[in-house]
Amino acid sequence: IAGITQAPTSQILAAGRRMTLRCTQDMRHNAMYWYRQDLGLGLRLIHYSNTAGTTGKGEVPDGYSVSRANTDDFPLTLASAVPSQTSVYFCASSTSGEEGKYFGPGTRLTVL
Amino acid sequence: QKEVEQNSGPLSVPEGAIASLNCTYSDRGSQSFFWYRQYSGKSPELIMSIYSNGDKEDGRFTAQLNKASQYVSLLIRDSQPSDSATYLCAVSSGSARQLTFGSGTQLTVLP
Repeated sequence: IAGITQAPTSQILAAGRRMTLRCTQDMRHNAMYWYRQDLGLGLRLIHYSNTAGTTGKGEVPDGYSVSRANTDDFPLTLASAVPSQTSVYFCASSTSGEEGKYFGPGTRLTVL
Repeated sequence: QKEVEQNSGPLSVPEGAIASLNCTYSDRGSQSFFWYRQYSGKSPELIMSIYSNGDKEDGRFTAQLNKASQYVSLLIRDSQPSDSATYLCAVSSGSARQLTFGSGTQLTVLP
């Protein structure tokens, strides 16, 4: 693994289903983030984690949950998907003291 | 509500010209400023960061910051067709140092 990986690359999901987007980084970065990107709205922060064992809410957290059991993994869960969660989801990470983010390749999610 | 505004474009410049991308932000307490490049269908890539007033140069890229005017810009000299992408401005503020992104400016460099 080099950098940040995300899985799946894309997914079509029926409304009401549960879905977990996976994110793994091998750079030993303390901080990890989940963003969604929608046309015309830019990147919006969903949840973040400044260090393993802690998480926080971003700008658009409703309908999403995260966990940070270790440094490398930061999964994002949609408990019951709705069509408005159709988006491209990016995981990102950064080191302490550096605010610039390194982004994963993204997951394109379509909720029907 | 912290806001970061960018002209969505599209901005077209001929190859070899200087491309100028602009960004304004609403939070006077903002401390750090970033430019990302995003090719179509790809993830954002950090290309410049700037923390103090003035210019910062890195190769063909120059970031300019004016905190009094709440304005940050990115200049791309000798633009190349490979520079064609969407450029995202991001601003960090507050104790949590979270980034707020603009919606991006689409740049096209014409051969």
